[in-house]
Amino acid sequence: EDQVTQSPEALRLQEGESSSLNCSYTVSGLRGLFWYRQDPGKGPEFLFTLYSAGEEKEKERLKATLTKKESFLHITAPKPEDSATYLCAVQAQTGANNLFFGTGTRLTVIP
Amino acid sequence: NAGVTQTPKFRVLKTGQSMTLLCAQDMNHEYMYWYRQDPGMGLRLIHYSVGEGTTAKGEVPDGYNVSRLKKQNFLLGLESAAPSQTSVYFCASSYSRGYTFGSGTRLTVV
Repeated sequence: EDQVTQSPEALRLQEGESSSLNCSYTVSGLRGLFWYRQDPGKGPEFLFTLYSAGEEKEKERLKATLTKKESFLHITAPKPEDSATYLCAVQAQTGANNLFFGTGTRLTVIP
Repeated sequence: NAGVTQTPKFRVLKTGQSMTLLCAQDMNHEYMYWYRQDPGMGLRLIHYSVGEGTTAKGEVPDGYNVSRLKKQNFLLGLESAAPSQTSVYFCASSYSRGYTFGSGTRLTVV
């Protein structure tokens, strides 16, 4: 059974204080691992897709990495506007492109 | 280019009432999905469609029905609403791997 566990549940950072969010996963053949950002009252917004262990992708202050068992979302020198819930999801090789989501990490960046 | 549009944005229902949530996408995507999001539970798949005229059950389909009569529209129906269906509902569409989400419908069943 597919499983995605995100940690921590919540994270408070001072502006400029770098940190990492973790996504551990179990899936019967990984097709892709996705990171989304969700602001309060809005739908998830796509950030990254990673397909194979060792892959890395960057966007502004965010960098996502992937191993065979987990993914990390590294946040470098965060700003208050980075405050959001970050969702991780896996897509199995079988099935109709369905995504299986973790419960998210709620990030707060304090000025 | 609106992406994925959900209507309504908010709704309050009484137990036993019925309603339909509408999802429309203008990206010509084949795949469409309905998820519900509850505190501490994450996004859970209700039903999905791999093309016009097709639908399939997801992780939590009980109490819901769906229809995909046109490629651009995916309807989610609640025939007899229950308080357990109080949630935020998200529609999404995709062409291969990437999903685009709508802004959600907040439904309260009293």
